[in-house]
Amino acid sequence: LAKTTQPISMDSYEGQEVNITCSHNNIATNDYITWYQQFPSQGPRFIIQGYKTKVTNEVASLFIPADRKSSTLSLPRVSLSDTAVYYCLVGPNSGYSTLTFGKGTMLLVSP
Amino acid sequence: DVKVTQSSRYLVKRTGEKVFLECVQDMDHENMFWYRQDPGLGLRLIYFSYDVKMKEKGDIPEGYSVSREKKERFSLILESASTNQTSMYLCASSLVEAGPSFGPGTRLTVT
Repeated sequence: LAKTTQPISMDSYEGQEVNITCSHNNIATNDYITWYQQFPSQGPRFIIQGYKTKVTNEVASLFIPADRKSSTLSLPRVSLSDTAVYYCLVGPNSGYSTLTFGKGTMLLVSP
Repeated sequence: DVKVTQSSRYLVKRTGEKVFLECVQDMDHENMFWYRQDPGLGLRLIYFSYDVKMKEKGDIPEGYSVSREKKERFSLILESASTNQTSMYLCASSLVEAGPSFGPGTRLTVT
């Protein structure tokens, strides 16, 4: 499974756009990129998944360059409730999935 | 939305006890997983199952066993609980081609 590297922590203010970048240099051809959000004492929650280019949903956007060796999760206009740990995962999306979670990025949003 | 439920949010057990953690999902998912989460170590996969009565070891299976007699239910068993098994335990389920959905977690304390 491809290893991922992301910042340990990030700080932001309410209303700002936050971009969290994840490096995955050894991504395989059949790997997808998935992001999760986790609040304290809760299970991780799926945010978004993509394979290439750009994916957008009601919560976030995911930008993946052509070489797929990195990806950027973009959270528009964050609020205090977006304070959480964000995990970037890379793995195959067929067969049984055993995504490996790294340490994640702790995002702190301040007023 | 997929609902993954875990039998307890908080559990306190004594060293040497046999402990059962139950997980149920309501969306007919093929895959089910057990993770543990510890500060500084992130989420680590204990076991996963891709079908009834099928199981595979994850990264840290020692001291644990699992049971999947029905598709919707996946049990984690601590044969003889030890203090180093004090942790947050997270169950998840997924379709073959999707990232896992997590339950709320069980915080287990072994004294």
